[in-house]
Amino acid sequence: RKEVEQDPGPFNVPEGATVAFNCTYSNSASQSFFWYRQDCRKEPKLLMSVYSSGNEDGRFTAQLNRASQYISLLIRDSKLSDSATYLCVVNPGTGFQKLVFGTGTRLLVSP
Amino acid sequence: NAGVTQTPKFQVLKTGQSMTLQCAQDMNHEYMSWYRQDPGMGLRLIHYSVGAGITDQGEVPNGYNVSRSTTEDFPLRLLSAAPSQTSVYFCASSYSDRGGYTFGSGTRLTVV
Repeated sequence: RKEVEQDPGPFNVPEGATVAFNCTYSNSASQSFFWYRQDCRKEPKLLMSVYSSGNEDGRFTAQLNRASQYISLLIRDSKLSDSATYLCVVNPGTGFQKLVFGTGTRLLVSP
Repeated sequence: NAGVTQTPKFQVLKTGQSMTLQCAQDMNHEYMSWYRQDPGMGLRLIHYSVGAGITDQGEVPNGYNVSRSTTEDFPLRLLSAAPSQTSVYFCASSYSDRGGYTFGSGTRLTVV
């Protein structure tokens, strides 16, 4: 089993829709979690950190479910500019520098 | 404030050649890392550093060397390029072990 697993997608949604991605992780000792956004042929950029019970930032909400070992990202009122690949990143507890990246979920928002 | 600067952006090497990928950050971050990204795979950690003079191996260190003589610079050296090292390389830095990474724009390397 991979340490971090994501549905590769693509998720095709219309503008204004609500979309959610899940990411599962295998190490129950994992301590911290992040969502990154990566545009085509660009570098990843930090979207949100996910600590304890999760957090919200505008249209974006991230949740952590430790019992089932997954994190989720909810995007409300999708914009065309939200089209990107969303990377789930987990600190497995062996030190911050040993972050494990998922392969990403691709989102396509259409007019 | 330039953030994390990587050079070159593109490079083609012949098998057996060596080269150095440059990475510099101007945010006074202690933590720096090198990742490679291949199609269908997540970013994989090559080497990392928790401060000047301190480096350690990541998941895929073979064929690469690093050094950290200053806080700002963290170059990655390919010792003898192989086609398997064809990839996109990202350098990243962070101010703490709980902060998120800032990535450079990447180096696209092709080894023929």
